[in-house]
Amino acid sequence: DTGVSQDPRHKITKRGQNVTFRCDPISEHNRLYWYRQTLGQGPEFLTYFQNEAQLEKSRLLSDRFSAERPKGSFSTLEIQRTEQGDSAMYLCASLKYETSYYNEQFFGPGTRLTVL
Amino acid sequence: GESVGLHLPTLSVQEGDNSIINCAYSNSASDYFIWYKQESGKGPQFIIDIRSNMDKRQGQRVTVLLNKTVKHLSLQIAATQPGDSAVYFCAENSGYSTLTFGKGTMLLVSP
Repeated sequence: DTGVSQDPRHKITKRGQNVTFRCDPISEHNRLYWYRQTLGQGPEFLTYFQNEAQLEKSRLLSDRFSAERPKGSFSTLEIQRTEQGDSAMYLCASLKYETSYYNEQFFGPGTRLTVL
Repeated sequence: GESVGLHLPTLSVQEGDNSIINCAYSNSASDYFIWYKQESGKGPQFIIDIRSNMDKRQGQRVTVLLNKTVKHLSLQIAATQPGDSAVYFCAENSGYSTLTFGKGTMLLVSP
């Protein structure tokens, strides 16, 4: 257990439905990342926050995806009008960013999304 | 775009052997590399990292080697154990601590 939690762990939904995932990072970590991972592939970066500010978004993050981190603590990732291609593991990671050196990203267990 | 990739999709070893997992990267500007281990149903777990100003770093039973001349990274696991069975990813820092992962190598350790 890295200290990063995600909820739910599994989600099955029908195409066209909206889904929301939650990530609770390690409490003192100011950066929070979302990644998507499909079977047999490495995680792909989606977006990240520093405190409550969303600083970067990948081109993978279509307009059906939205992420928030309203108080700089937990974050939510919402997918609207889900498509079968959205089926994947959604991973959250956090780190304590300090400008002088690189810090390890701690990953949560992920949310497995299946779109029928 | 530039990416990180792995040479071998699956590596099978006997318990007690040493394992070597390789990774090629193409972004010569990358200055930080990390190896992650991922077990089934879990998120990636940090193993070891290395900055580009180093060519070798050792941890407990693991060593990472970096060859910037040929843009090659390797992970050596000494005395491999069944608990080491997992998928291993190399990743490079793409800026702002955003990681670019390779496709992964599955390590299978037989008792």
